[in-house]
Amino acid sequence: GENVEQHPSTLSVQEGDSAVIKCTYSDSASNYFPWYKQELGKRPQLIIDIRSNVGEKKDQRIAVTLNKTAKHFSLHITETQPEDSAVYFCAASKGNQFYFGTGTSLTVIP
Amino acid sequence: SQTIHQWPATLVQPVGSPLSLECTVEGTSNPNLYWYRQAAGRGLQLLFYSVGIGQISSEVPQNLSASRPQDRQFILSSKKLLLSDSGFYLCAWSVLFRGYGYTFGSGTRLTVV
Repeated sequence: GENVEQHPSTLSVQEGDSAVIKCTYSDSASNYFPWYKQELGKRPQLIIDIRSNVGEKKDQRIAVTLNKTAKHFSLHITETQPEDSAVYFCAASKGNQFYFGTGTSLTVIP
Repeated sequence: SQTIHQWPATLVQPVGSPLSLECTVEGTSNPNLYWYRQAAGRGLQLLFYSVGIGQISSEVPQNLSASRPQDRQFILSSKKLLLSDSGFYLCAWSVLFRGYGYTFGSGTRLTVV
């Protein structure tokens, strides 16, 4: 099966700085990579995703990059704001199942 | 538009009691359905997934079971709860090949006492 590793487990940044979260996956057949944001006590919500035929995707302050050769993908948040504080999960999928990373707790310090 | 309903939102149950959590999806047909558990401060653990009525795949053997009696209904059950069953249970659906990722339900916070 797929194995997704996510780093770092915790991340603190000053407001306005950038945050980067990295994930690696093991199955080269995985072709869909979503990122989820989970605020305390709430459900995870999809914030951005990327497919294996694309190397980079951007949505306002959030971007995701994918390196298929190295089997890693990253989430980039620029100009961080306090409301970006949450747990972020990456995932990899090649079919019906999604394999999640262990999560990164991001704290944006005002 | 598609919506997912999950209930109850919170539940406190004694050890040894039964459990039934329900999840329904509206606005789509033949979704893939999933049950996840999230222990406090931990990641998402896939418990069961279903690609159709009566089709259940179990990822982690334990005292939980799942059923899919209708296309858009997914039920998580237990005959006898353990203390270790406490956690945040999330139902999710996807129709992957239409370009959607998972959409999670609002979750059930289960405390076994």
